[in-house]
Formats: sequence, structure tokens, C-alpha cells
Amino acid sequence: KAGVTQTPRYLIKTRGQQVTLSCSPISGHRSVSWYQQTPGQGLQFLFEYFSETQRNKGNFPGRFSGRQFSNSRSEMNVSTLELGDSALYLCASNTPEGTQYFGPGTRLTVL
Amino acid sequence: SQQGEEDPQALSIQEGENATMNCSYKTSINNLQWYRQNSGRGLVHLILIRSNEREKHSGRLRVTLDTSKKSSSLLITASRAADTASYFCATGGGGYQKVTFGTGTKLQVIP
Repeated sequence: KAGVTQTPRYLIKTRGQQVTLSCSPISGHRSVSWYQQTPGQGLQFLFEYFSETQRNKGNFPGRFSGRQFSNSRSEMNVSTLELGDSALYLCASNTPEGTQYFGPGTRLTVL
Repeated sequence: SQQGEEDPQALSIQEGENATMNCSYKTSINNLQWYRQNSGRGLVHLILIRSNEREKHSGRLRVTLDTSKKSSSLLITASRAADTASYFCATGGGGYQKVTFGTGTKLQVIP
């Protein structure tokens, strides 16, 4: 089986811009989770999608949003970027039991 | 906020030695998982232990779970330089329960 793919791998944006990140889960997996990882805050849960519906949500402002398509691919969007949004954004493809298979991540730098 | 707390935060050992890291969590769980992350990359799933299991092995890895103390430990035997990474425990997942990661233990194995 192909693994989890995330695009792009690296991204540089300026404050105030918006960004869209993409994640393709493992074939057959219907659940996708997103995380933000920073040195200061560690791994923070953003949201989880299952069959195109948001099933869980973390404590992030409304500038962070996501969606899932019928083929289980997922996107997350961050609007009005702030310097503090610089982070590694990780996507995970989830089994029904909760095991997560992570993609390589997207490194976002906000200048 | 993090559900789990790993201990120690950092660990440095010589190649060939055993490494033990601990995880404590706060709420009741269905299972607990351990993940490894090499610097700046996605997480790799290592092992899942269910709440009715006390010990589980996978290669050089041994995981124990004590639900009465809400704690788990990960033992890596005969460590190698390639084991240098951060290790995270995670609880939750499956259905409507989101996965929450601990703060991580940074392991350095010196050749």
C-alpha cells in the first residue's frame, strides 16, 4: 500500500496570506487527522475528519479549517497567517482502532 | 493540552545499552500507543497495547501498561545509533475519541 502523502513539503508565506495544505491518506482509510508541531507547544491536535465530516476538533482559532473529500483526501487551510503559525503540519491516516500512520509533514514558515 | 507526560524529557545512552522511557496519562483509555519521530519528520507507529494487556513485545521493544497507575513504559533493548529519535506515547483514537500525544522523550544513542 502507498503511504500517506502530503503536499507541499515546504512552504514559505508572509503574514496575512493564506495557505492550503493537502493530504492523501492510505487507500481504504476513511479517517484523517491533522496536527501542528512546534518546539514550544509540541504536538497539538487540529481536527479529524471521517467520511467527509469533521468528527473532532482541537483548540485552534477559526482561521484554521479543513475539509475532506469523497475520496478521503483532506485539505487544511490557514487564513490570515501569523508568525506563530510557523510549524510542521502533520497529517495522519487512521485505522478504526486508532493507529495513526503519518505523512512526512509540511514545513510552513511564515515571514 | 497534553494527555500524556513522558519521563524523562531527554535521555542519552551508549550504543548497546537499554533505554527506558515512561508515560503517564490522566483519563481511562482503550489503548495506548508509542510512536517514534526522527528529527523534523513524520511519526512512525511502533506498538499498540490494549487496556486489558499488561505487556507486549515487538522486536527489541517491550511495552508495559499499568492501568491502575495510569502509566506505561517503553523499553528499547540493545540500543543502536539509529534509535536516536523522539518517542511519544498517545492515548485515545478510534471512533469519536481523539488521539492525544504526550510531550515526548528525546533519546540520543551515542555510537
